[in-house]
Formats: sequence, structure tokens, C-alpha cells
Amino acid sequence: GENVEQHPSTLSVQEGDSAVIKCTYSDSASNYFPWYKQELGKRPQLIIDIRSNVGEKKDQRIAVTLNKTAKHFSLHITETQPEDSAVYFCAATTYGQNFVFGPGTRLSVLP
Amino acid sequence: DTEVTQTPKHLVMGMTNKKSLKCEQHMGHRAMYWYKQKAKKPPELMFVYSYEKLSINESVPSRFSPECPNSSLLNLHLHALQPEDSALYLCASSAGGAGGSGELFFGEGSRLTVL
Repeated sequence: GENVEQHPSTLSVQEGDSAVIKCTYSDSASNYFPWYKQELGKRPQLIIDIRSNVGEKKDQRIAVTLNKTAKHFSLHITETQPEDSAVYFCAATTYGQNFVFGPGTRLSVLP
Repeated sequence: DTEVTQTPKHLVMGMTNKKSLKCEQHMGHRAMYWYKQKAKKPPELMFVYSYEKLSINESVPSRFSPECPNSSLLNLHLHALQPEDSALYLCASSAGGAGGSGELFFGEGSRLTVL
């Protein structure tokens, strides 16, 4: 089955700096890669996703890149703000199968 | 309506109790999920219903019993739970069938404490 690894487990950045979180997956059949943000005590919420037929996707300060050959994908947050502080989970899935989540990255943006 | 609604938000039960968690969505999604999330851990899949049929059961103990009465509702029946079952139980839904058909919409969760 699919296995997703995520690094780093914790990340502290100064406000205004960029943050990068990386994930690797094991199943070459996986074709959908979402990123979820979970604030303390709240539900996970999708912030960006990418499908296997695309190499990069951007939405304002957030971007995701996918390298299918190397089986890894990354989340990039630019101009970080204190409200970006949360736990971020990557996930990988194939149609008809389970969403497998990475272990999470706790991002702290220091003012 | 882009909401997944879960009730109750909080539940405290003893090890001999029987209770149920409920989940509802009206987005026409055909896949519904139960996840268990412990503190500082990712959501862990328990069950998936696809087109109202149980399609994935991740070797969950029988003290957890899912039910999908119709395409909008998903229940999780709880019986004889253990203290280690205390966790946040998240319901989610996605369009089409299970898996990579699109975004998972999560409910706010039911925080369960087993005494």
C-alpha cells in the first residue's frame, strides 16, 4: 500500500520568510496530492492540491510542486504570516483507494 | 451547502455504554469516510463508504460499527470501547467514488472520551 513521508516534523520561520515542506510517496499509481492545514482544535482544511498530470500549481502565496519520477511533492509558502501557523498534512491517493496522510509538519511563524 | 455536519461535538462515555456518532452532508458526494485522529497525529482511516457500500475497512475492531443509511448520512456505532479509543473522530466526504476523485471535505469532528 501507499506510504507517505513528510519533512520536517517542525518548522519555525520568521514572519515574511518562506517555508517549504516536502513529502515523498511510494505508490507510483497515486495521482492526486492534496495539502491540508489544521489549526489547533479545528478540522483539516484543503489549502491546495495537484494532480499527477501537472508539475506545479500556485494560489497566491501558496504553491505545490510535483516530481513524479522522484515521487515527491512539496508545499511552498511565501511571505509567511502568523496566521499560517498550524499543522500541515500532505496526502496521496489513487482513485478508488484511501487518502494516505503524511505524519504532519508543525509550522510556527514568529512575529 | 459545502458543509459536513457531525454530532455530537463532544461525547463522554463509559466502557459499557453504547453510543453513536452521526455525520451528514448534502453536497451529493458519493464517498463518505470515518477517520480517527489522536493528538499530534495525522487522520487515520477507519472506514470508507462508496455509493453507500462499505468499500474499505482498515481492520478496525468490531466495537466500532459503521452504518450508511443513505447517501447523505453516515453513522458510527460505539460499544464497549476502551480508554485508548479516546480521540477526535472525523467524518469526511468526497465527490464521486472513494479516493482520488477530489477534495476531502471534513466535518468538525466528534471528540470522544472513554472513561
